[in-house]
Amino acid sequence: DTEVTQTPKHLVMGMTNKKSLKCEQHMGHRAMYWYKQKAKKPPELMFVYSYEKLSINESVPSRFSPECPNSSLLNLHLHALQPEDSALYLCASSQDGNGGDLEQFFGPGTRLTVL
Amino acid sequence: GEDVEQSLFLSVREGDSSVINCTYTDSSSTYLYWYKQEPGAGLQLLTYIFSNMDMKQDQRLTVLLNKKDKHLSLRIADTQTGDSAIYFCAESTNTGFQKLVFGTGTRLLVSP
Repeated sequence: DTEVTQTPKHLVMGMTNKKSLKCEQHMGHRAMYWYKQKAKKPPELMFVYSYEKLSINESVPSRFSPECPNSSLLNLHLHALQPEDSALYLCASSQDGNGGDLEQFFGPGTRLTVL
Repeated sequence: GEDVEQSLFLSVREGDSSVINCTYTDSSSTYLYWYKQEPGAGLQLLTYIFSNMDMKQDQRLTVLLNKKDKHLSLRIADTQTGDSAIYFCAESTNTGFQKLVFGTGTRLLVSP
């Protein structure tokens, strides 16, 4: 299984809602990533987990809250989002996130619309 | 700085070669990558090159790296309509984690 899966595929939410994005991989990878991709822009790194510990937070607002309950799962909890947070949210995983760890495997993304 | 620039758009005919260019500014880049993104999909790693190499060939793909000019290119030979997608170059440095900085992306359109 060389796949990263993400649910849901699409999500529409209001600014007062609380929702969660989910990501799963069964490749035995120990590093997992959240990226945000606005339309016609490159992906931008948000968070990195390594061995279930948060290792990088790229100054992301607190309305985005990541969680890594085990080595296969990565969640992104959303609360009080703004319309400008509408984007494609991509999850990725890699072997262990250290030097020489060459490939990140990406999921298909969750397209989020905030009304 | 970590600016990675690409031209926005490239249009070619099926069977021609495509060359997608990328310039970067971070001289401490260790690995440089090319990713492909089809509409509504995630990113697929096509190939990568280590910064002490100047060329890498992988089937229809040829990567050229000019470290002095901080210029990276991807040549796709015999381009097919299935190659139509957005292509991102990306760089990472030799830090503990694979922090990728992506280029602005080039949309490749292949016409029959």
